[in-house]
Amino acid sequence: KAGVTQTPRYLIKTRGQQVTLSCSPISGHRSVSWYQQTPGQGLQFLFEYFSETQRNKGNFPGRFSGRQFSNSRSEMNVSTLELGDSALYLCASSVGTGPSPTYETQYFGPGTRLLVL
Amino acid sequence: GDSVTQMEGPVTLSEEACLTINCTYTATGYPSLFWYVQYPGEGLQLLLKATKADDKGSNKGFEATYRKETTSFHLEKGSVQVSDSAVYFCALKGSSWGSARQLTFGSGTQLTVLP
Repeated sequence: KAGVTQTPRYLIKTRGQQVTLSCSPISGHRSVSWYQQTPGQGLQFLFEYFSETQRNKGNFPGRFSGRQFSNSRSEMNVSTLELGDSALYLCASSVGTGPSPTYETQYFGPGTRLLVL
Repeated sequence: GDSVTQMEGPVTLSEEACLTINCTYTATGYPSLFWYVQYPGEGLQLLLKATKADDKGSNKGFEATYRKETTSFHLEKGSVQVSDSAVYFCALKGSSWGSARQLTFGSGTQLTVLP
């Protein structure tokens, strides 16, 4: 099976702009999660989508949003970019329908590296 | 809330040396525990996992045992190779509704193996 794919791999934006990142999960996976990785804060959970619905959300401002499509592909959007939004954004997918989500493994894509100038 | 504390790095070893990266956690109930590895310029790859107490996860010569009494999940390898150079992350998924659907990560440990 193909792994999780993310596009684009690299982005350069300026402050105040908005950006959309895309993620295609492993075939058959219905849950998609997003994480932000920065040198200062490490890996932080943004949100999780399942069947086109946001099921869980981390502690990020409303400028960060996402959505999921009927084919389980997901996008995340960051509006009014700030310098501190420069990070590696990682998407992860999992089956999402197992008997216990605690046991499910999340598989990560290569990430999108965003630089805000 | 849930948290993971990981051994501070960076760690530098010679090839064929033994590796231990310490990881302890705080969580209610019975979390699942994971080790992920990140190579330069890449995303995270699952290295191993354990879902219940006393389980041992293993992969590519790496091992970790889920110790509930000490709330630990230390990563070990008997003989490291240059190709093991990477950043290693300990993580957990909790047992409450929200924490079960997200990974909580440690800060990561940079490992460099010298030939």
